[in-house]
Amino acid sequence: EAGVAQSPRYKIIEKRQSVAFWCNPISGHATLYWYQQILGQGPKLLIQFQNNGVVDDSQLPKDRFSAERLKGVDSTLKIQPAKLEDSAVYLCASSLVRRSYEQYFGPGTRLTVT
Amino acid sequence: GQQVMQIPQYQHVQEGEDFTTYCNSSTTLSNIQWYKQRPGGHPVFLIQLVKSGEVKKQKRLTFQFGEAKKNSSLHITATQTTDVGTYFCAGRGFQKLVFGTGTRLLVSP
Repeated sequence: EAGVAQSPRYKIIEKRQSVAFWCNPISGHATLYWYQQILGQGPKLLIQFQNNGVVDDSQLPKDRFSAERLKGVDSTLKIQPAKLEDSAVYLCASSLVRRSYEQYFGPGTRLTVT
Repeated sequence: GQQVMQIPQYQHVQEGEDFTTYCNSSTTLSNIQWYKQRPGGHPVFLIQLVKSGEVKKQKRLTFQFGEAKKNSSLHITATQTTDVGTYFCAGRGFQKLVFGTGTRLLVSP
C-alpha cells in the first residue's frame, strides 16, 4: 500500500514570497490533515478535510494560508505572503474516517523562510 | 483551548534502562493516541487507548490511559538504541486531535 505522498520535500524562499505544497493521501482515506511542526514542538493542526469539505480550520492563519481539496483526493496548501515564523515542517496526514482512527503521515515539506 | 503537555521534555538513558513519559490534558479526552517520530522523520502511529484505565502492551512498550481520561503514560522496558526518537501523545477532545509537546528519548549503547 502506497503511503502519503508530499512534494516538494524541501523549499527555501524569501519572506513575502509565496509557496505551495502538495499532498496525495492514501487511496480511500476520506480525511486529510495539514499540520505545521515547528522545530522541537508537536504537530499543530492547520486544517482538516472530510472528502472535499473543511471540518476544522480554526488554527489556519487565513490572512496568509489557504488550502483546498477540490476532488476529495489530493490537496494543496498555500502560503502567501510567507513570514519568517512560517519556517517549519508541513506535514500532511490521512485517515480512513474523521474520528478515532490512526493518522498516516507523509514525509513532510521542510520550509525555510529567509 | 485544549492543551496537552508531556514530561519530561528530554531524557537520556543507557541502553537497558527503563523509560517513562507522561501526558496530561487540560480537558477530558475521548481517546488518546501515541506516535513515535524518529529524528528527521515523520510521526508514526503506535497505539490508541479509548477506555478509562485501559492498559495495552506492545512488546517492551506499555501504554496506560488514566481513570479520569485526562492523562496517559508510555513505559519502555529495557530500552534499545532503536527506541531513539520523540514520543508524542495526541489527545482527542471534542473534535480535534491535539498533539502533546513530546518527549525526546536518547539511548546510549
